Amino acid sequence: GAVVSQHPSWVICKSGTSVKIECRSLDFQATTMFWYRQFPKQSLMLMATSNEGSKATYEQGVEKDKFLINHASLTLSTLTVTSAHPEDSSFYICSARSPRVNANTGELFFGEGSRLTVL
Amino acid sequence: DAKTTQPPSMDCAEGRAANLPCNHSTISGNEYVYWYRQIHSQGPQYIIHGLKNNETNEMASLIITEDRKSSTLILPHATLRDTAVYYCIASGSRLTFGEGTQLTVNP
Repeated sequence: GAVVSQHPSWVICKSGTSVKIECRSLDFQATTMFWYRQFPKQSLMLMATSNEGSKATYEQGVEKDKFLINHASLTLSTLTVTSAHPEDSSFYICSARSPRVNANTGELFFGEGSRLTVL
Repeated sequence: DAKTTQPPSMDCAEGRAANLPCNHSTISGNEYVYWYRQIHSQGPQYIIHGLKNNETNEMASLIITEDRKSSTLILPHATLRDTAVYYCIASGSRLTFGEGTQLTVNP
């Protein structure tokens, strides 16, 4: 099946610093990628939809200036957590839809997730 | 996206079929039913999806009622490695996750 890869898989940073997480589709081109956040013992929460070559669409309540999303190519989307604070500590997961099936009905493939810990 | 309702937890004996129910009574005509599962601290894994016909693949079967208001995911021979949180999603272009069902497969 299609593969989506994230890097880094885990990161520890100091409060106030910025952290970039990369999401790559390894064997297909993805015009749309999605970013999720998951806190312990909770479900995944959709943060934003990343569109190649255009601005991301953020879900209600997600600060676009806090979580910068860039989707500069068809195989790479990045999420930057700016001025990170301990409450931003979470499991961040990206996903991409394979274009080999209908754009709105095909399955999403998920990355392995990136665990961020802000001290 | 239509709201989905799943039992918070289920148990199943190893080797037996696991039947996971999902209610999606407000599903619209163009929304598909997707099933994913998540093993602790990993990204979700795609299982199966369908619109109105029953579907089967190497992992599972999906049974969708005729009125499309509910569905059942069937793992025909559950193994210990099938222990995970299973998410049922009724969605169009975006996938938003509910709370899911924690399936525990017991030896």
